[in-house]
Formats: sequence, C-alpha cells, structure tokens
Amino acid sequence: GAGVSQSPSNKVTEKGKDVELRCDPISGHTALYWYRQRLGQGLEFLIYFQGNSAPDKSGLPSDRFSAERTGESVSTLTIQRTQQEDSAVYLCASSSWAVTTNEKLFFGSGTQLSVL
Amino acid sequence: AQTVTQSQPEMSVQEAETVTLSCTYDTSESDYYLFWYKQPPSRQMILVIRQEAYKQQNATENRFSVNFQKAAKSFSLKISDSQLGDAAMYFCAYWETSGSRLTFGEGTQLTVNP
Repeated sequence: GAGVSQSPSNKVTEKGKDVELRCDPISGHTALYWYRQRLGQGLEFLIYFQGNSAPDKSGLPSDRFSAERTGESVSTLTIQRTQQEDSAVYLCASSSWAVTTNEKLFFGSGTQLSVL
Repeated sequence: AQTVTQSQPEMSVQEAETVTLSCTYDTSESDYYLFWYKQPPSRQMILVIRQEAYKQQNATENRFSVNFQKAAKSFSLKISDSQLGDAAMYFCAYWETSGSRLTFGEGTQLTVNP
C-alpha cells in the first residue's frame, strides 16, 4: 500500500476483554515496530520484527501483551485481559532496513485504545 | 540505557517568527543518529530532520535546522518563518547504530499564533 495502515482507528473495550490491533506495513518493508503512546507522553517501544529473525520483545510491559508477524506481512498486537492503564495510542511503523542507512521509519496513524 | 529529554512541554511562537525546541540525550555511544519528528492531531509521526552523529555539519531541511552539540549531547531544532501548519507535537528521538529502535523524548507541544 501507499503507507502504513492500522486498524481499527479507535477501539473502546471493557476492562478484562482481549483486543487485537492490526498493522499493514508498506509493501517490501522488512522491519516493523510497535510503540505505545500514553496521553501527553512520548512513544514507548514495545516490539520489533526484522524479516524472519526472532523478534525483539524486550519492550512488552507484561505477559498480557503479545505480537505476531508472518514473514514481511501484517502484524497483530494482542492485549489480553485489558486494564485501564492499557489505554493509549498504539503506533506501528515499518522500514525497509535499519535506520542506519538512508531509510527511515514510516508510521501509521495509530489505534486509540480506550479501556473502560 | 539511552534517555532523551525535552525540557519544554509547551512552546509558542508568532507566525513568521523563529522558535527553537530543545533536546538533550544521554549515551555512552559515539555512533548514533538523532531525529526530530512532528506529530499533528492526525497522530501520524512525520520525520522533520535527521542528523548523523559523525557529521559535524548541522542538518537543514528548508525552514528547519538543527544545532547539534555532540560534546554537550544537545540537539535543538530551529524553525524559521513559522507557519500555522507547523503547530504540532514535536519529538526528539535517538537511534544507536548498534541497536534496533528509536528512543523518544516526552515531546514539546508547539503552538503557532497568527
């Protein structure tokens, strides 16, 4: 596609429910990132996928959070048993290679998650 | 761990004037990259400017320029001839060449007054 696409744009859920957030990276981009942005704050790294390598999950805040990606395609971020502190914008970004070249991260518009 | 600090939660500027946003970072690395991103209400992060640490020359992109002081670990963004469309949240970010992620500051909300 022309850019990084995320769905849904907004998600309202009840505490304790599971949610799935989807990210469609730019075609051909091998690297994919998930970030969390709490209200009025900066972006927190969650997880990084690079091609078929094992993902870097070091930013996931708890075992309620997980993410999958098959090859260089769509990624889903799953939050189980959601809590109110999970309310945030979840941003996805992709790049064709590490940012140490002339490449850069292309971000989607995020999913606003609200946990009631 | 690397940290990025933006000490100005909010800034304002008159249209056509110049404004400077501050950023400092902490690292023990010598090889890294620094970025400024703009986030309008649409939430999408837009790359404004990029600086390689090994380059002494400050990066410029049209009305946007940086003042990179490596020894002081300072990386400020100057916006000249400010326009209403420049109003947004601005984030400073750090990338270590041996790493695999961007580390972001807390952001500065810029208001442009007509």
